[in-house]
This record gives sequence, structure tokens and C-alpha cells, in this order.
Amino acid sequence: GAVVSQHPSRVICKSGTSVKIECRSLDFQATTMFWYRQFPKKSLMLMATSNEGSKATYEQGVEKDKFLINHASLTLSTLTVTSAHPEDSSFYICSASAPRNSPLHFGNGTRLTVT
Amino acid sequence: AQTVTQSQPEMSVQEAETVTLSCTYDTSENNYYLFWYKQPPSRQMILVIRQEAYKQQNATENRFSVNFQKAAKSFSLKISDSQLGDTAMYFCAFHNNNDMRFGAGTRLTVKP
Repeated sequence: GAVVSQHPSRVICKSGTSVKIECRSLDFQATTMFWYRQFPKKSLMLMATSNEGSKATYEQGVEKDKFLINHASLTLSTLTVTSAHPEDSSFYICSASAPRNSPLHFGNGTRLTVT
Repeated sequence: AQTVTQSQPEMSVQEAETVTLSCTYDTSENNYYLFWYKQPPSRQMILVIRQEAYKQQNATENRFSVNFQKAAKSFSLKISDSQLGDTAMYFCAFHNNNDMRFGAGTRLTVKP
């Protein structure tokens, strides 16, 4: 089955530094990738949708200059949390789909802790 | 934007019994897909079942089945013969083109 690899699974960084999270589709071309943030015991909150070769579409309230998304190829999307602060600590999950409306395949998530 | 509502924050069921999780959604679209995902403590999102809106027949996957009522915009999940391994968070999801929305989730506990 389709596999999405998300890396790193855990990262601890100091306040003010930037962190990059990668999301790769391993055996299919992902035309669309989604980035979610999940707070403890809460649902997945859509942050942005990215299509290969175009700018990401951010949800209302998500700062695009803080959460930089790049979808440079059909198999790779990256989320960079710039100038991280403790309130950015969270669980971030990416997902990818190939044909439209096909099931999303999820990465295993990244737990970010900003100290 | 589409919205997905799960009105049951928590539910429990005895092992081997049947449980139904509710989900309603709101959309003006006619063509879309609906999904149920399971998220165990590992936090990996696992696809349980999917339903295409243009299909009238309810989807089934082994012990999992849905009751899809398009006019009512309702998409409930029935788990039969519940097993301890079914204990997890369950999310209902709506997918249409570049939009993917999740409900708030239902925490299901299967009791031995």
C-alpha cells in the first residue's frame, strides 16, 4: 500500500530556532499534501494545503510566514517552523493524496517541543 | 468551507458487542468522499472505511460498516463484534478536491 514517510518523528529545539519537517510519498506521486496540527486529545486542525509547484493555501489564522510550506516535487513537501516558540510545541502530521478524492495517506507525525 | 460534526466525545462498548459512532457534515458539494479514520495511542492515522457520495450502497469492511444518508448528510460508523484492539480515537472526515476536514473525534473504549 501507499506509504508516506514523515521525518523527524521527534524534535526538540530552542526558542528562536527554525525546524524543518519533511513529508515524502514513497511509492506514489502526491499531487496534494496537507499539513495538520494536533493538540493533545483534540482533532486534526488543517494548517495548509499544498499542491506541487504552486504556493500553499493556508487556513485562516495560520501564519504563512511562520509556517513555511514548500512542495517542490511530487514526492516531497516540507514544513518549516520559523523562529519557534514554546507555543508552537505540538504534534504535526502530514498527509498526501494522489488522484483527487482518494484516501489520504498519513505520515507518522512529528512531535515538536520548543524549549 | 465544509464542516464535520461528531457529537459523541466518548463512547464505550463491551467486547463482542456492537457500537455506532455518529457523524454529520455540511457541504454544498455534490461529489465528495467520506472517511472514518482510527487513531490509536501511537497516533498513526489508519483508514477504516471510505464512502463515495455518488454511491447509494453503504460501504462495508469486515466488522465495519457505514450508514450513509446523503440527504440528511449523515455518515455513521457501525463496529460489530467489538474487539479490544478497536480502542482508539475515531475521526470522521470529508474530502473534496483540495479540502479535507475532520470531526472532533470520538474516543472509543472497548471493555473486556
